[in-house]
Amino acid sequence: EIVLTQSPATLSLSPGERATLSCRASQSISNYLAWYQQQPGQVPRLLIYGASNRATGVPPRFGGSGSGTDFTLTISSLEPEDFAVYYCQRRGNWPITFGQGTRLEIK
Amino acid sequence: QVHLVESGGGVVQPGRSVRLSCAASGFDFSQWGMHWVRQAPGKGPEWVAVLGHDGNTEHYADSVKGRFTISRDNSKKTLYLQMDSLRAEDTAVYHCARDLNSGWTDYWGQGTVVTVSS
Repeated sequence: EIVLTQSPATLSLSPGERATLSCRASQSISNYLAWYQQQPGQVPRLLIYGASNRATGVPPRFGGSGSGTDFTLTISSLEPEDFAVYYCQRRGNWPITFGQGTRLEIK
Repeated sequence: QVHLVESGGGVVQPGRSVRLSCAASGFDFSQWGMHWVRQAPGKGPEWVAVLGHDGNTEHYADSVKGRFTISRDNSKKTLYLQMDSLRAEDTAVYHCARDLNSGWTDYWGQGTVVTVSS
């Protein structure tokens, strides 16, 4: 089973700052990676799929990059509503797996 | 708009069974693959199972293989998850989610809570 490892576990930043979240796969997954945002009490929301494609309605401040084993989610300038937990997820060979999450908190 | 509503959860004893349902509306259900994803309290999402749009292709997480069965009735626009031989570690909120391109999920229901406890 392919394992996804996210870092850091917690990221403390201020509104307006740039956020960089990392997801590393235990073996190459090409560009078969997505990013989700989960607000407290809400279901996960798809942000990025195929490593770099924004889902419908996602603001352009969210960007994804990477391929193979190393992937990055970048939020260019943090808005108050961006403070949440972020999960990466891979598709391809079954089973689908999620990373353990990065909590983005207000500094 | 896309709407997914799960039902059927509750408190169930270890070793017993329960069937979850997911009622879909706002899209052509018969043309979309569907997933079940669960989330234990304070934990991240864990994928459970997927079923193709025509019901002919299914895959399961290792943790539920042989105990859970995913199915669908396209005439009723409903997805199901039959959960047998339940264990304490199956306790979670169970969400159905629409498949976007063989693994991504673009819409999720709010979920139904399953608690396995004696």
